[in-house]
Order: sequence, then C-alpha cells, then structure tokens
Amino acid sequence: GENVEQHPSTLSVQEGDSAVIKCTYSDSASNYFPWYKQELGKRPQLIIDIRSNVGEKKDQRIAVTLNKTAKHFSLHITETQPEDSAVYFCAAIVTTSYGKLTFGQGTILTVHP
Amino acid sequence: DAGVIQSPRHEVTEMGQEVTLRCKPISGHDYLFWYRQTMMRGLELLIYFNNNVPIDDSGMPEDRFSAKMPNASFSTLKIQPSEPRDSAVYFCASSRQGGSVGTQYFGPGTRLLVL
Repeated sequence: GENVEQHPSTLSVQEGDSAVIKCTYSDSASNYFPWYKQELGKRPQLIIDIRSNVGEKKDQRIAVTLNKTAKHFSLHITETQPEDSAVYFCAAIVTTSYGKLTFGQGTILTVHP
Repeated sequence: DAGVIQSPRHEVTEMGQEVTLRCKPISGHDYLFWYRQTMMRGLELLIYFNNNVPIDDSGMPEDRFSAKMPNASFSTLKIQPSEPRDSAVYFCASSRQGGSVGTQYFGPGTRLLVL
C-alpha cells in the first residue's frame, strides 16, 4: 500500500520567514495530494491540494509543488504569521480506487513573533 | 451545509464501560472514515465505509472496537469494554466521488477520556 513520509517533524521560524514542508510517497499511482492544517484542539482542515496533472498550485501565501518523477511534494508558506502555527499533514490517494487517504506523520510549525 | 457532525464532543467514562461515538456525514458524501488521534500515534485510520459498506477495517485495534453504518446519514463507533489506552480524539470524516474525490472533510471530533 501507499506510504507517505513527511519532514521535518517540527519546524520553527520567525514571523515573516518562509516555511517548507516536504513529503514523499511510494505509490506511483497516487494522483491527488491534499494538505491539512490542524490548530490546537481543532479538526484537520484542508488548506490546499494538488492533482497529478499539475506541477504547482498557489493560494495567496501558500503554494504546493509536485514532482511526480521523484514522487515528492512540498508545501511552501511565505511571509509566515503567528496564526500559521499549527500541525500540518500531507496526504496522498489514488482517486480511481477506493478513497483511502494515506497521511504523513505531521509537522508542528511554530511561528515566533 | 452543516458539515460533518459528531456527538458527543466530550466523553468521560470509566474503564470497562461501553462507549458509543456517533457521526453524521455531509449529505451526498458516499465515503465515511473513522480516525483516532493521539500524541504518540498521530492520526490513525480505523475503518472506512463506501456506500454504507465497510471497505477496510484493518486499522481497528482489536475486537473491542466495532463500527456500523446502517444508512447513508449515520455511523457509530463502539468500544466495549473501554480501556484507559483508548483515550484519544476520535474524528469522523466524509468525502464523495466526483470532482472533489479524495477531499475529506473532518468533523469536530470526540475527545474520549477513559479513567
């Protein structure tokens, strides 16, 4: 089955800096890659996603890149703010089969004012 | 759209008691997932359903755990008997086929404490 590895497990940055979280996946058939943000005591919420026919996607300060050949994808957050502090999860899925998402282990991002 | 609804939001019980967690998926979604989250083990998929049918229950930790989905708008996760190591946040999530397939929407979670 699919295996998703996520790095780093913790990331600490200063406000205004950029943050990058990287994930690798094992199943070359995976074709959809969502990113979830989970604030303390809250539910995971989808913040951005990318499909395998796209190499990059941006939404304001957040961007995701996908390298299908290397089987890795990354989350980029620019101009970080304290409210970006949360746990971020990457995930992968083969959407043409039964819809089981495989999650990474999570990255605890701390943005210091 | 009310989103995924879970109840109760918090549950405190004593070891050996039966616990039932409930979930109402988003209307029109045909996938339903039960997850458990702890600091030690992270986010674990316990079981998921497609069109009310269990597809993969390999994540269910042991026979004390059972899940049902009697109809498209309701699912339960039952723990009997409960143990302190079952203390965790249990999330239900739903998704659908079609253009947004793969996007899972999580409920607010049930925070379970077994004493």
